[in-house]
Amino acid sequence: EDQVTQSPEALRLQEGESSSLNCSYTVSGLRGLFWYRQDPGKGPEFLFTLYSAGEEKEKERLKATLTKKESFLHITAPKPEDSATYLCAVQGYSSASKIIFGSGTRLSIRP
Amino acid sequence: GAGVSQSPSNKVTEKGKDVELRCDPISGHTALYWYRQRLGQGLEFLIYFQGNSAPDKSGLPSDRFSAERTGESVSTLTIQRTQQEDSAVYLCASSFQGGHPGGQETQYFGPGTRLLVL
Repeated sequence: EDQVTQSPEALRLQEGESSSLNCSYTVSGLRGLFWYRQDPGKGPEFLFTLYSAGEEKEKERLKATLTKKESFLHITAPKPEDSATYLCAVQGYSSASKIIFGSGTRLSIRP
Repeated sequence: GAGVSQSPSNKVTEKGKDVELRCDPISGHTALYWYRQRLGQGLEFLIYFQGNSAPDKSGLPSDRFSAERTGESVSTLTIQRTQQEDSAVYLCASSFQGGHPGGQETQYFGPGTRLLVL
């Protein structure tokens, strides 16, 4: 059964303090791993898609990396506006339509 | 429109009543998904529509839940005889079939409908 586990559940950082969020997954043939940002009261906003181990993608202060078992979302010198819940999701070849989401990491950046 | 829209944004109903939630996908997007998100939790897949193919209903939690989509346009999610455990945010997403070969196209989410069953 495909599964996604995110850690930590919550993370509080000082502005400028870099850190990483973890997404561990099990899937029968990875078709894609996705990172989303979700602000309170809003729908998730797409950040990245990673397809194969070793792949990396960057956007502003965020960088996503992928191995065969996990993905990391690295945040460098975060700002208060980076505060949000970050969701990881996977899609496997066994069930192309079903995308499995983790429960997210709530990130809070203090000024 | 520019993005996925959902209505109503909020719905309060009494236990046992039926509710209908609406999703307007991005024009031209052939794929449409419904998810449920309980407070503080991740997204739970409910149903997937792709063009004129038979929908994947494997995530629907019970026969009280149903969804329809006409062609590649609006979709409605109906919950019959609502229960308190149905209280959640219901999110809709659409995507354009294509992109990276063998990969998954980007999903664009609506703002959700917050359902409260009293």
